[in-house]
Amino acid sequence: SQQGEEDPQALSIQEGENATMNCSYKTSINNLQWYRQNSGRGLVHLILIRSNEREKHSGRLRVTLDTSKKSSSLLITASRAADTASYFCATDGYGGSQGNLIFGKGTKLSVKP
Amino acid sequence: SQTIHQWPATLVQPVGSPLSLECTVEGTSNPNLYWYRQAAGRGLQLLFYSIGIGQISSEVPQNLSASRPQDRQFILSSKKLLLSDSGFYLCASTGQYNSPLHFGNGTRLTVT
Repeated sequence: SQQGEEDPQALSIQEGENATMNCSYKTSINNLQWYRQNSGRGLVHLILIRSNEREKHSGRLRVTLDTSKKSSSLLITASRAADTASYFCATDGYGGSQGNLIFGKGTKLSVKP
Repeated sequence: SQTIHQWPATLVQPVGSPLSLECTVEGTSNPNLYWYRQAAGRGLQLLFYSIGIGQISSEVPQNLSASRPQDRQFILSSKKLLLSDSGFYLCASTGQYNSPLHFGNGTRLTVT
């Protein structure tokens, strides 16, 4: 079964607005990662947050993690048309084996110029 | 940093034909290697992973197999493709525990 589930499935915003995507998961984790995928391409790692961290920043990205609620959010501030992509969360739900990441179905973000 | 090469980028194959997708990695040695499949509108499904030459673990029973003949080469194969094998196949690599996955640009396979 899916470990990570992103919400919403699709999000359309105007350039300059903030975009917030959420991820829920089911089991205990060591870390949670966010990836970006441009259409027809491979995934690119954005940020990793460990289970003992609550918030992490990277440029215009802000990720939060609430292990009590088993949820995470990805905030992209001051969005640009180039941010248009699908965003996936991934968790190591199998107890730590790095490669056995479980990916959600993703949020498709469209940023209109 | 790691670079993942995958080819071909797109492939159209008839049902019952064989398959061989190749993935090679640059910029690291002794990586963990992975094959994922992405169906339309769905997340990534882990198919195989390998922690070393000749060491393959299968996550999901499939009409597919994987091999790792060299340290930085990972091959996905099938003897007879099914329609349900259509999808976007991604190879990924990681060098260390708890470090991010690096992905190739994928192969779009259409089985007709």
